[in-house]
Amino acid sequence: DQQVKQNSPSLSVQEGRISILNCDYTNSMFDYFLWYKKYPAEGPTFLISISSIKDKNEDGRFTVFLNKSAKHLSLHIVPSQPGDSAVYFCAASGGSEKLVFGKGMKLTVNP
Amino acid sequence: DVKVTQSSRYLVKRTGEKVFLECVQDMDHENMFWYRQDPGLGLRLIYFSYDVKMKEKGDIPEGYSVSREKKERFSLILESASTNQTSMYLCATSEPQGGNQPQHFGDGTRLSIL
Repeated sequence: DQQVKQNSPSLSVQEGRISILNCDYTNSMFDYFLWYKKYPAEGPTFLISISSIKDKNEDGRFTVFLNKSAKHLSLHIVPSQPGDSAVYFCAASGGSEKLVFGKGMKLTVNP
Repeated sequence: DVKVTQSSRYLVKRTGEKVFLECVQDMDHENMFWYRQDPGLGLRLIYFSYDVKMKEKGDIPEGYSVSREKKERFSLILESASTNQTSMYLCATSEPQGGNQPQHFGDGTRLSIL
């Protein structure tokens, strides 16, 4: 049973526009959520996180929104750049040292 | 910056061989993890360790074992390699903060079993 779902396998956007990546979760015990970016042949790189006591966290061009009632979070990238093209993973934890990852979504930003 | 080093970027082994994947971290983190990444399946946890000589099974431990004799080093062992263990293997570390800490990853080992 998949506890963290990234339902869209890919997204393509134009440079300068907004990229919105979505993630849904089923476990109501999750209280910490993260986004990772992964380039081919490299390990995932931590991007941004949010605690369940917040509904928004911003870091430069990256903003994560959390809707606890809908069990949904999203990552907004504004403006999108070609270097943002990568696979993005959503992850969650609930008081454990372990993270549960989604299957990932490939973002392509076209020049 | 946290540095997580995996001993090999690419590795080719034969079916039935015993395979060792090594991971070393330089940040004195308590927690270390081994994942495998496969297309369409995301990252799946194989094993993790929260202290020296301590380990806990993840979601897919079958066919694998681990060793943590020193805090900075965490080894993944494929006891008898099989073709379905061909994958990208990723090591990660984190500080123990009740889960509210990001994990930091190495660059991975792409393992092919022939």
